[in-house]
Amino acid sequence: AQSVTQLDSQVPVFEEAPVELRCNYSSSVSVYLFWYVQYPNQGLQLLLKYLSGSTLVKGINGFEAEFNKSQTSFHLRKPSVHISDTAEYFCAVSDWGNQFYFGTGTSLTVIP
Amino acid sequence: NAGVTQTPKFRILKIGQSMTLQCTQDMNHNYMYWYRQDPGMGLKLIYYSVGAGITDKGEVPNGYNVSRSTTEDFPLRLELAAPSQTSVYFCASRNGRTNEKLFFGSGTQLSVL
Repeated sequence: AQSVTQLDSQVPVFEEAPVELRCNYSSSVSVYLFWYVQYPNQGLQLLLKYLSGSTLVKGINGFEAEFNKSQTSFHLRKPSVHISDTAEYFCAVSDWGNQFYFGTGTSLTVIP
Repeated sequence: NAGVTQTPKFRILKIGQSMTLQCTQDMNHNYMYWYRQDPGMGLKLIYYSVGAGITDKGEVPNGYNVSRSTTEDFPLRLELAAPSQTSVYFCASRNGRTNEKLFFGSGTQLSVL
């Protein structure tokens, strides 16, 4: 089975500042990588995904992530956050199988 | 297009009661999943299905049962509710032809008292 570690459970950041949410995974095989966002009282929505090709992936709402195979990381970044980015963010991996493995989540709070 | 629909949105059960959480999708997806979300624990897979008539256990299946008689529906059954099953439950589906994203329902908040 795969495992996903999100190193920061809570990240406060001021509005218009940059942010990085960290994600590391463990796998002995090639994986697909995902970042999902969950707004209060809602289900999860896909932000971006890495399946193959360019290691820099751009997603919705100005977010991007970089796949680093040697460090088994898939960190999420945004150069300038907005109040509306306040949410829970989940990193997930899938190993060509039927299951997706989620991290424990990072709560991003944007401070006005 | 409704996507993934879960009912009910909220439910309170007494210990030992049973109930079924409903999940239906209208995207003709083969793969369907049930997750539970607990604070600080992320999402844990309970059961999943790769098509009608086929189900398999995930990480935390104890205390739950599922069935998949049609492509659209994937109900989750709690037979003897316990306080440890207090959680938020999410149903999800995906297109099985490629390893693409999951589509999530809006969740069911269950309390067992």
